Amino acid sequence: QVQLQQWGAGLLKPSETLSLTCAVSGGSLSDYYWNWIRQPPGKGLEWIGEIHHSGSTTYNPSLKSRVSISIDTSKKQFSLRLNSVTAADTALYYCARGDYSSYYYFDFWGQGTLVTVSS
Amino acid sequence: EIVLTQSPGTLSLSPGERASLSCRGSESLTSNYLAWYQHKPGQAPRLLIFGASHRATGIPDRFSGSGSGTDFTLTISRLEPEDFAVYYCQLLDTFGPGTKVHIK
Repeated sequence: QVQLQQWGAGLLKPSETLSLTCAVSGGSLSDYYWNWIRQPPGKGLEWIGEIHHSGSTTYNPSLKSRVSISIDTSKKQFSLRLNSVTAADTALYYCARGDYSSYYYFDFWGQGTLVTVSS
Repeated sequence: EIVLTQSPGTLSLSPGERASLSCRGSESLTSNYLAWYQHKPGQAPRLLIFGASHRATGIPDRFSGSGSGTDFTLTISRLEPEDFAVYYCQLLDTFGPGTKVHIK
């Protein structure tokens, strides 16, 4: 069974950099896309970006200037960095596996990390 | 950019009742790319339906998906207590705003 375990700093000050990592176990990185998705308090889900095991990335245009996703295939981990955070980046952040082989869905998710941006 | 609209925003029902949740796209959607998720507080979203009508592994058959074009529906035939949650539709990298199903 595929499991995603995520971690990272939960409290940031404005202008700092958000950094989260997600470790994949029970399955291969190959043939999938590895995503970050967030949910601001009281709001819906927002896709942040994705990375393929090859290293190719795609980002949400609204965050593209501040976001970076990387992957370490040897450790089976992928990471999110979001620069210059503000209160608007306060959210529950999830990592998730994307399967786009024939359909398009996120089938395995991390447990979520609450990130709060406050001075 | 496709916009997904979900209705109703909130659904008040009793256990045992039938729930019908709508997801509408601003333009015609590719059914293969339409999925539904259940989200409960403190838990990760759970994939219910992919390809508009295919149940994900382990999902009870009281959950079903249907639709094509711009209109899709998630139906819960008989609500169980554990089904009260927020439900999202998703197309590619876009999520709908969600429908909250709560106990009447």
